[in-house]
Amino acid sequence: GIQVEQSPPDLILQEGANSTLRCNFSDSVNNLQWFHQNPWGQLINLFYIPSGTKQNGRLSATTVATERYSLLYISSSQTTDSGVYFCAAQTNSGYALNFGKGTSLLVTP
Amino acid sequence: GAGVSQSPRYKVAKRGQDVALRCDPISGHVSLFWYQQALGQGPEFLTYFQNEAQLDKSGLPSDRFFAERPEGSVSTLKIQRTQQEDSAVYLCASSLEPGLAGYYNEQFFGPGTRLTVL
Repeated sequence: GIQVEQSPPDLILQEGANSTLRCNFSDSVNNLQWFHQNPWGQLINLFYIPSGTKQNGRLSATTVATERYSLLYISSSQTTDSGVYFCAAQTNSGYALNFGKGTSLLVTP
Repeated sequence: GAGVSQSPRYKVAKRGQDVALRCDPISGHVSLFWYQQALGQGPEFLTYFQNEAQLDKSGLPSDRFFAERPEGSVSTLKIQRTQQEDSAVYLCASSLEPGLAGYYNEQFFGPGTRLTVL
């Protein structure tokens, strides 16, 4: 099946800093999503982005499907951005979202 | 409802007991998914329903796991004769359209049920 790799695995930022999280995937996708898992375990939808670029406030994402990667940009980070960020991809041959191992982000005051 | 809901939120079972976990998807959503998330890992796919039809159960780890969605809305994941390795968070997700290429299939997740088997 498809392999989804995220980097970096861990990230510590000071409040106000910017960051880029990367997701590489090994096959063509028809669905790619970014999630933020908060400390209570809830997966919060950030972006549905099988291709192209989207922005939502301080967050933006870009997926280059032909090169099989996606990037999540966080600008002016806040302590509430802390948590685990997951990338998940679905291929044309299946129904499942295949998740990466996540990037654990800690934003310090 | 406004989002996907799951119950119970927490379940403690003794090894060998049967458990049933419930998922209420977003109203009108055709697709329903179950995932299992072990501590420190990403969620892993268990099974997929399109309306009442279970189209993919390739991720169910053993025949002790059974899922149903008899009327195409609420779903139940049942685990028989629970074992310690079943301890995990069980997540339900739904999407508006069929989970195939060409459809808008953004998945929305519930809060999960944390199962602990003693």
